[in-house]
Amino acid sequence: AQSVTQLDSHVSVSEGTPVLLRCNYSSSYSPSLFWYVQHPNKGLQLLLKYTSAATLVKGINGFEAEFKKSETSFHLTKPSAHMSDAAEYFCVVSDDRNTPLVFGKGTRLSVIA
Amino acid sequence: GAGVSQSPSNKVTEKGKDVELRCDPISGHTALYWYRQRLGQGLEFLIYFQGNSAPDKSGLPSDRFSAERTGESVSTLTIQRTQQEDSAVYLCASRGNRDIFHNEQFFGPGTRLTVL
Repeated sequence: AQSVTQLDSHVSVSEGTPVLLRCNYSSSYSPSLFWYVQHPNKGLQLLLKYTSAATLVKGINGFEAEFKKSETSFHLTKPSAHMSDAAEYFCVVSDDRNTPLVFGKGTRLSVIA
Repeated sequence: GAGVSQSPSNKVTEKGKDVELRCDPISGHTALYWYRQRLGQGLEFLIYFQGNSAPDKSGLPSDRFSAERTGESVSTLTIQRTQQEDSAVYLCASRGNRDIFHNEQFFGPGTRLTVL
């Protein structure tokens, strides 16, 4: 069975400093992994996805994530936080195209001026 | 528009009433999912439609919940005799055949349901 653990429920960073949001997954197969972002009162937006083509995945708005099979991790990073990055971030795993996505509980990112 | 749309955006109802939530997927998308997001939580799967196959209803929390889909278009999620614990944001997602291998889903803005 697949599962996702987001290790921090809340992360707070200063504007201009790096962002690290941690995610560990459990999967029986070679999974697809995603990060979605949800701004207040907005829908979910796909930031990036890992689909076995390359272990370092670049997404929108300067975000990246690295798939590490040995550590079963897919942490999200950004070199320099911007105020507009403040939002809820969800790590998501999919084992199989015929199964629903499995979401982590989310990490709320706060950016301090 | 080109994205998934949902209506209404907000719904306030009284305990015991029935509600219907609507989802319009991206045109041509064969797969459609309903999820529920309770306050401060991740998304919980409710039901999955794929083309003309029988839907996967394994995530529906009780028999008060049901959903229909007409072909590969609109879907409605119905909650009968609503309870306060049904208060949540209900999200719909669709997926096209081009995205099927990696299961990339496109989400609507959600319907926020409040049961008083």
